[in-house]
Amino acid sequence: SAVISQKPSRDICQRGTSLTIQCQVDSQVTMMFWYRQQPGQSLTLIATANQGSEATYESGFVIDKFPISRPNLTFSTLTVSNMSPEDSSIYLCSVGLFADPYNEQFFGPGTRLTVL
Amino acid sequence: AQKVTQAQTEISVVEKEDVTLDCVYETRDTTYYLFWYKQPPSGELVFLIRRNSFDEQNEISGRYSWNFQKSTSSFNFTITASQVVDSAVYFCALSEASGNQFYFGTGTSLTVIP
Repeated sequence: SAVISQKPSRDICQRGTSLTIQCQVDSQVTMMFWYRQQPGQSLTLIATANQGSEATYESGFVIDKFPISRPNLTFSTLTVSNMSPEDSSIYLCSVGLFADPYNEQFFGPGTRLTVL
Repeated sequence: AQKVTQAQTEISVVEKEDVTLDCVYETRDTTYYLFWYKQPPSGELVFLIRRNSFDEQNEISGRYSWNFQKSTSSFNFTITASQVVDSAVYFCALSEASGNQFYFGTGTSLTVIP
């Protein structure tokens, strides 16, 4: 398993500003992911954070809006840029352990973002 | 097409009742993994169970049980003698061996009324 922490746990931000969310894992992992969960909705994958290279973004998400860093195998950041109220969501970091005979994904506690 | 379908959006039960949360999945992979997660009001996703496609044994853990049926592509979750603390949103998810992405259902919001 993996223990994941996120900072901040919650924040209230003004429109037009940016917020960087940090994700720290207690062990080295290959796969790290960032998800968004809008109010009352399911989880949507934003991107896969790749160590040493640019993140891989899912359809509908772009690097200019959600820049991601992954400087090493235990840490990643997600920035929500030029925020608007529509960005109010829970942002979750997760790590994937993909090893036969199972795939598994562990989630951080989430960052609850409110944009005014 | 939706890979994981949770048709029940919201369920309310009275404490001590049994409740079953439905999950239907779709995949062409022969090797895949199914999961259930619980998300209480605090927002954290709590891992409940993982099932491999080649293991159809049903599982019981305390008041929780899971019924995996490949013939109907279903992975249903039953809570026996529900408690107020079971109130949460429950997500079913699928991961295919051919890729690394998790596909989440839309979640079922369970309210247990005291």
